[in-house]
Amino acid sequence: GIQVEQSPPDLILQEGANSTLRCNFSDSVNNLQWFHQNPWGQLINLFYIPSGTKQNGRLSATTVATERYSLLYISSSQTTDSGVYFCAVLRDDKIIFGKGTRLHILP
Amino acid sequence: DVKVTQSSRYLVKRTGEKVFLECVQDMDHENMFWYRQDPGLGLRLIYFSYDVKMKEKGDIPEGYSVSREKKERFSLILESASTNQTSMYLCASRPPGQSIETQYFGPGTRLLVL
Repeated sequence: GIQVEQSPPDLILQEGANSTLRCNFSDSVNNLQWFHQNPWGQLINLFYIPSGTKQNGRLSATTVATERYSLLYISSSQTTDSGVYFCAVLRDDKIIFGKGTRLHILP
Repeated sequence: DVKVTQSSRYLVKRTGEKVFLECVQDMDHENMFWYRQDPGLGLRLIYFSYDVKMKEKGDIPEGYSVSREKKERFSLILESASTNQTSMYLCASRPPGQSIETQYFGPGTRLLVL
């Protein structure tokens, strides 16, 4: 089946720094989503981005479907950005998640 | 707003106990899902359901069963809890044939099996 790989697995940054999270997938997809799981466990939809670029405040995402990767950019990190970031793709009506990137933003 | 609720945020059970995790959604979604989340492993699909009384095995169904008697409620059952089922359990719902962005998650249940 399709593989979804995220890197890095862990990231520790000082508040104010910028970061780039990567998601590689092994087959073509027409559905890709980035989620943020806050420290209390709630998963929140960030971007639905099967292709192209989207921006929402300090966060933006780019998916290059032909090269099978997506990037999530976080600028001017804040402590509230801490948590786990997942990318996920849809295949046969089931969502397949990557293993996530755990982000720690230090004050 | 879509609301997916789970019956407990934290649960502590003993080995061998029968455990029920309840999930309720209020958006009339046909599709409902149960995942477990473990550090370094991401979210793994346990069971899903596309309709009342219908269930399908996901990637890791062993040791679990489910029940969907009503459209809004999807229950995950651990017939005889074991310590390796200590995990975070997440329920989700989504309309059929829709993209990932329409999938909504509950707040999760952290289960500890002693």
